[in-house]
Amino acid sequence: GDSVTQMEGPVTLSEEAFLTINCTYTATGYPSLFWYVQYPGEGLQLLLKATKADDKGSNKGFEATYRKETTSFHLEKGSVQVSDSAVYFCALNYGGSQGNLIFGKGTKLSVKP
Amino acid sequence: KAGVTQTPRYLIKTRGQQVTLSCSPISGHRSVSWYQQTPGQGLQFLFEYFSETQRNKGNFPGRFSGRQFSNSRSEMNVSTLELGDSALYLCASSPGAQETQYFGPGTRLLVL
Repeated sequence: GDSVTQMEGPVTLSEEAFLTINCTYTATGYPSLFWYVQYPGEGLQLLLKATKADDKGSNKGFEATYRKETTSFHLEKGSVQVSDSAVYFCALNYGGSQGNLIFGKGTKLSVKP
Repeated sequence: KAGVTQTPRYLIKTRGQQVTLSCSPISGHRSVSWYQQTPGQGLQFLFEYFSETQRNKGNFPGRFSGRQFSNSRSEMNVSTLELGDSALYLCASSPGAQETQYFGPGTRLLVL
């Protein structure tokens, strides 16, 4: 079945460091891909998305490119801030009658000042 | 626009009891999905409702059920609670098919 694999955390970085969180997927079709972020004690917030191959999603300095050839959707940010500390989830779905999101296990990011 | 709201935010129950959680989607959204989040299993899909019909269902026992009303508000019910049902239950809404899902803050259920 379809699945999402994320790099295991936790990831600890210093402020202004470069961030990469790896995400790869296994899919039988052509899903949309998402990154969601969860701050402590809160629900999930959509960070960015891409709906087809070679699309780049971006938001708040984060970006990810839908790579069909490597089945990947890695999250990157050039300079992280303490406020970026959270758990990041990679997910896929197909929409329609198969609209449920399939999530990775999540990667916890801690940014130190 | 107001976001997805979920009530209650916190709940403590004992084994064997039943519980009902409520979700109000973003105005205009017709699809509501429910997810269970636990430290061990991560985020797992429970079910999705669209225009009052269950459109998709995850791999959970029949103790987990839901419904959607004509105003798109949704409820999920868990009967005969077990300790393993302790989790954060998240509701997400979307305008319709093939649309991005927006999540509420969740209801944290503790079963003692």
